[in-house]
Amino acid sequence: RKEVEQDPGPFNVPEGATVAFNCTYSNSASQSFFWYRQDCRKEPKLLMSVYSSGNEDGRFTAQLNRASQYISLLIRDSKLSDSATYLCVVDRSGGYNKLIFGAGTRLAVHP
Amino acid sequence: DAGVIQSPRHEVTEMGQEVTLRCKPISGHNSLFWYRQTMMRGLELLIYFNNNVPIDDSGMPEDRFSAKMPNASFSTLKIQPSEPRDSAVYFCASSLRDEQFFGPGTRLTVL
Repeated sequence: RKEVEQDPGPFNVPEGATVAFNCTYSNSASQSFFWYRQDCRKEPKLLMSVYSSGNEDGRFTAQLNRASQYISLLIRDSKLSDSATYLCVVDRSGGYNKLIFGAGTRLAVHP
Repeated sequence: DAGVIQSPRHEVTEMGQEVTLRCKPISGHNSLFWYRQTMMRGLELLIYFNNNVPIDDSGMPEDRFSAKMPNASFSTLKIQPSEPRDSAVYFCASSLRDEQFFGPGTRLTVL
């Protein structure tokens, strides 16, 4: 079993839709959690950190459930520019920032 | 500000040849990471340096792979001899705290 599991998708949604991605992690000692975004043939970039209390950044909302070892990302009012692969990332090092990446969920937003 | 710089951006070589990938981290960052990304295995951490010292090389596939960081502004990842299964995108990333900043990657093809 992979340490970080994601639904690979693709999720094909129309502009304006709300879409949710889920992720589970297996190591209960994991310390920090992130969502990264990767455009086709580009490098991953940090989208947002995920906090226990949940956090929001514009149209994006991230939530963490430590008891269930579950992370989610909600995108409201989808834009064409949101089309990308979304990587769920877990830092289990508790120290030096050793990131474990999920395989990613692909999102395609169409007109 | 210049981000993480990697060279070459593309490399095509024949099996058995030596390949050297180069990375210049963001100035002031004290951590440097080498990753490999393939369709089958996703994004995998190969090695991590902190203050130019290798801290965790548990992800290095085998002895054919070696990495060095002679100073704070330069790192290399060498594969000798290369094999077709080494074909992948190799990313270098650097960080000062939580967020890792990725370079554009080197797309390696071993024939």
